[in-house]
Amino acid sequence: GAVVSQHPSWVICKSGTSVKIECRSLDFQATTMFWYRQFPKQSLMLMATSNEGSKATYEQGVEKDKFLINHASLTLSTLTVTSAHPEDSSFYICSASMARVNTEAFFGQGTRLTVV
Amino acid sequence: DAKTTQPTSMDCAEGRAANLPCNHSTISGNEYVYWYRQIHSQGPQYIIHGLKNNETNEMASLIITEDRKSSTLILPHATLRDTAVYYCIVRVEVSGYALNFGKGTSLLVTP
Repeated sequence: GAVVSQHPSWVICKSGTSVKIECRSLDFQATTMFWYRQFPKQSLMLMATSNEGSKATYEQGVEKDKFLINHASLTLSTLTVTSAHPEDSSFYICSASMARVNTEAFFGQGTRLTVV
Repeated sequence: DAKTTQPTSMDCAEGRAANLPCNHSTISGNEYVYWYRQIHSQGPQYIIHGLKNNETNEMASLIITEDRKSSTLILPHATLRDTAVYYCIVRVEVSGYALNFGKGTSLLVTP
């Protein structure tokens, strides 16, 4: 299947700093990318949907000014957690889908964010 | 998307078939049944999907009842590496839409 690469795999940052997570589709063009968050022993929760070249659509309760999403190209989307706090510590996962060709989604390996 | 119901957890002996059930009684005519799994601390992995006919690939088989209100994912010869949370998701077969993950079934394959 298609490959989605997420970087970094894990990151530890100090409270108040910002962290950027990258999501790349390596062998296909992803017109749509999704960002999920997963707290321990819980399921994945959709944070936002981003389409290349347009503003992301955020789910209810997700602060768009805190979780900045950029989808500047068909192979790269970034999620920046601004002014991170310990409660932002979570497992962040991106997903990408191709337009029209396939319907299953491909996921990155996830990023474990720990804010201390 | 239609709601799905799965058992919270299941055990399976290594080498035996793992049969994971899913109920989706409110499924619509144009909705497919998708299965994904998530191994601990990794991103989800696509397994298989189908509309009404049984499907098989190199990973698993999907059996959908005739009324489409339930389905079973079958891992024919479970290995320890199949220990994961398995998600049954019902949705239309259109790209560009997010997946609505429920709680899934935590499958433990034991030696």
